[in-house]
Amino acid sequence: DQQVKQNSPSLSVQEGRISILNCDYTNSMFDYFLWYKKYPAEGPTFLISISSIKDKNEDGRFTVFLNKSAKHLSLHIVPSQPGDSAVYFCAARNAGNNRKLIWGLGTSLAVNP
Amino acid sequence: NAGVMQNPRHLVRRRGQEARLRCSPMKGHSHVYWYRQLPEEGLKFMVYLQKENIIDESGMPKERFSAEFPKEGPSILRIQQVVRGDSAAYFCASSPTGSNSPLHFGNGTRLTVT
Repeated sequence: DQQVKQNSPSLSVQEGRISILNCDYTNSMFDYFLWYKKYPAEGPTFLISISSIKDKNEDGRFTVFLNKSAKHLSLHIVPSQPGDSAVYFCAARNAGNNRKLIWGLGTSLAVNP
Repeated sequence: NAGVMQNPRHLVRRRGQEARLRCSPMKGHSHVYWYRQLPEEGLKFMVYLQKENIIDESGMPKERFSAEFPKEGPSILRIQQVVRGDSAAYFCASSPTGSNSPLHFGNGTRLTVT
C-alpha cells in the first residue's frame, strides 16, 4: 500500500536545463509535503516543503507545485547543476498523525555536464 | 545533516546478537524519530520519541525492537537477537517543537547481519 508514489526511479538531465521530479499520493488527509535530497552514505537533507493550502512554493532554484485535485506534486529545479545529482524523496504528512512522514521510493537524478 | 549524530556508522552483527544504535539530536531539539531503509525501498517510520516518552511506535516490529530517549544521553534503538532481515540503514532525525518543523537527519547506521 504505497501512499506516496514516485513512479520514475531515475531521471537524466543536461546541465542548465530544467529537472522535473514527480510525486503522486493517494491519501487526501495529507496536509504537508516535503522534498528531501539524499547523497550516498548520507542522511536525507530537507530541501523544500509545501502546505496543502498552497499550490506553489519557491526557494531559489527549487519550486514545488501542488495539485490537490490530482493528488500530485512536482519539484522543479532550474537551472540544474551537476551537484544536484542525488536521490530525491517526496514525503507527506497525515494531518494530526504525530508528524509521521510517509515516503516515496525516491527518484535518482543525474545532471550531466 | 550537521548536528544529528549517529553512531556507529557501520555495525556488523551475527545472527542472534544484539544491536544498539545511538542518536544524539541537534542541540535544542526535543523530538527524535527513527526510520529504517531496507534495500531498494524508501524510508519507513519506526518510532517517535520525546524525552522519556514514546509518542508513536506504530512502525516498530512488535518483537525484538525497542527504543528509548532518556532524560540524559542519546536516544537508543535496540534490536535483540538480530536476523538477516534486520540488515538495513537506520536513520535518526530530530526536530524542535512546532508542527511544521522539517526533520533533520543524521547520516545513518548501516547494520549488516551475517
